Amino acid sequence: RKEVEQDPGPFNVPEGATVAFNCTYSNSASQSFFWYRQDCRKEPKLLMSVYSSGNEDGRFTAQLNRASQYISLLIRDSKLSDSATYLCVVTLFMDSNYQLIWGAGTKLIIKP
Amino acid sequence: SQTIHQWPATLVQPVGSPLSLECTVEGTSNPNLYWYRQAAGRGLQLLFYSVGIGQISSEVPQNLSASRPQDRQFILSSKKLLLSDSGFYLCAWSVQSGAHEQYFGPGTRLTVT
Repeated sequence: RKEVEQDPGPFNVPEGATVAFNCTYSNSASQSFFWYRQDCRKEPKLLMSVYSSGNEDGRFTAQLNRASQYISLLIRDSKLSDSATYLCVVTLFMDSNYQLIWGAGTKLIIKP
Repeated sequence: SQTIHQWPATLVQPVGSPLSLECTVEGTSNPNLYWYRQAAGRGLQLLFYSVGIGQISSEVPQNLSASRPQDRQFILSSKKLLLSDSGFYLCAWSVQSGAHEQYFGPGTRLTVT
């Protein structure tokens, strides 16, 4: 079983719609959680951290459910520029260091 | 503010040739440094990480090596490239303590022919 799992998609969504995707993690000792965005042939860029109480940044809302071991990302009023691959990341403390465990990403395509 | 540089941006190398990719970070001291590889359409694979000068941890046994000759310099090398070494190589940094996010350089796209 993969440590961090994401639906690879692609999610094809019309512009203006709301889209949500989840990410599940297997290790209950995971400590921190992040969403990254990666455009085609570019480096991943931090989108937002995910806090236990949930957090919102403009059209983006991230939620953490520790009991069910998943995090979610909601995008409202989607724009063409939101088209990208969204990577879920969790951190674990192992081998005397914090390690980031990456999901393989969910591809989102916003259509006009 | 912190910035991270990688070069070259693209590279085409024949099988069996050597490799040297360089990564430098500005605007921070004593960062953790990371090398990742991303095959086409795949997720990120951690290759090496370093918590200080001369301290390298390898995650995946292979024909690649890494070195950290200075605090903010991280180098990825190979003596003889394989076809399977093709991919998108990303350097990243994070602050030393705690479960912190990582920040990536622009990457090097390597094609081994």
